[in-house]
Amino acid sequence: DAGITQSPRHKVTETGTPVTLRCHQTENHRYMYWYRQDPGHGLRLIHYSYGVKDTDKGEVSDGYSVSRSKTEDFLLTLESATSSQTSVYFCAINRVLYNEQFFGPGTRLTVL
Amino acid sequence: GQQVMQIPQYQHVQEGEDFTTYCNSSTTLSNIQWYKQRPGGHPVFLIQLVKSGEVKKQKRLTFQFGEAKKNSSLHITATQTTDVGTYFCAAINTNAGKSTFGDGTTLTVKP
Repeated sequence: DAGITQSPRHKVTETGTPVTLRCHQTENHRYMYWYRQDPGHGLRLIHYSYGVKDTDKGEVSDGYSVSRSKTEDFLLTLESATSSQTSVYFCAINRVLYNEQFFGPGTRLTVL
Repeated sequence: GQQVMQIPQYQHVQEGEDFTTYCNSSTTLSNIQWYKQRPGGHPVFLIQLVKSGEVKKQKRLTFQFGEAKKNSSLHITATQTTDVGTYFCAAINTNAGKSTFGDGTTLTVKP
């Protein structure tokens, strides 16, 4: 699925360091989302965007910030990573036809 | 906000057996979606249900939306090893453009 990519795909970092994850879409969709997935918790919404420079918080936004300066890019930043932020992060776009979420391949982040 | 509860959390079946996962909400849902995530992969959209009492089929998969639009189910007939993965339901808030996912049911199939 080439419509949405995430980088990096894997990252190991240390507690207290800043980390930025990138989501890039080629389909010009308005809505973009960042989720984290942890065992036993399914997918939890961190932040989402409904347009350039328009973002809002999800259910687990503490410790995360986002930016969207271009339609195609949605960045997720952990200002000071903690071990509790070790997770798999998925970016998604909202495809209009069925209002479906189309997910990127994910980024596995480990905070030591 | 909307919350959806999914049961069971895990299901182990012998190949050829049937499988069902249930999604329940305390509030009326405008619609519900189902996703499948293969091990190591990302969630993939399967279907959306909108109407009260709606039933949709995709080969061996049958999706139902309750009459009160507070529950939904996914039934797989005669499971195959290719069915392994985690199945999620998601409630869609069309006004806010947000989805709330259930915690998923992880299906394992023994050959």
